Amino acid sequence: KAGVTQTPRYLIKTRGQQVTLSCSPISGHRSVSWYQQTPGQGLQFLFEYFSETQRNKGNFPGRFSGRQFSNSRSEMNVSTLELGDSALYLCASSLGAGSYEQYFGPGTRLTVT
Amino acid sequence: GQNIDQPTEMTATEGAIVQINCTYQTSGFNGLFWYQQHAGEAPTFLSYNVLDGLEEKGRFSSFLSRSKGYSYLLLKELQMKDSASYLCAVEGQAGTALIFGKGTTLSVSS
Repeated sequence: KAGVTQTPRYLIKTRGQQVTLSCSPISGHRSVSWYQQTPGQGLQFLFEYFSETQRNKGNFPGRFSGRQFSNSRSEMNVSTLELGDSALYLCASSLGAGSYEQYFGPGTRLTVT
Repeated sequence: GQNIDQPTEMTATEGAIVQINCTYQTSGFNGLFWYQQHAGEAPTFLSYNVLDGLEEKGRFSSFLSRSKGYSYLLLKELQMKDSASYLCAVEGQAGTALIFGKGTTLSVSS
């Protein structure tokens, strides 16, 4: 069974631009969660989608948004990029929402200059 | 507020036993996960505890005390490949997002 895939793997953007990251979950998984990982803050939750609905949202500004499609694939968008948005963005999928093992993708390394 | 605390770094030698502690204060409790993350790689699932007690899985065991808001991950017969970051994550109320600790970086030396 194929794992979670994320594209692109690496991205360099400049301040003020916007970016869209993509995540394809494991086949059959309906829940997709997004996290931002930085050395200082660790893994911070962005949002979770289940069956195309946002179930949970973390404490990030409105510049961070996401969506999930009917095939469970998910995208997250960051508008008006700031230097502090430089991070590893991880997507994780699971069978359901809540207490299920999450399977993480390899992440997208975003660098904002 | 919600808080998860883990030591930042630990060191150990090959063949030894190490215990990584995690204390949490969350609104509700529905389960606790441990993940392993090697440098430059994605986190991978190690264990899940929802009831008090010890769950053993090969060289790795995880313990939970709900009344004390405390868990630990026990790694036995340490190997060099166990050098990684270990993340503790709590699901507070049912259906809410996981809250991750900042992780414990374990360095295993020969």
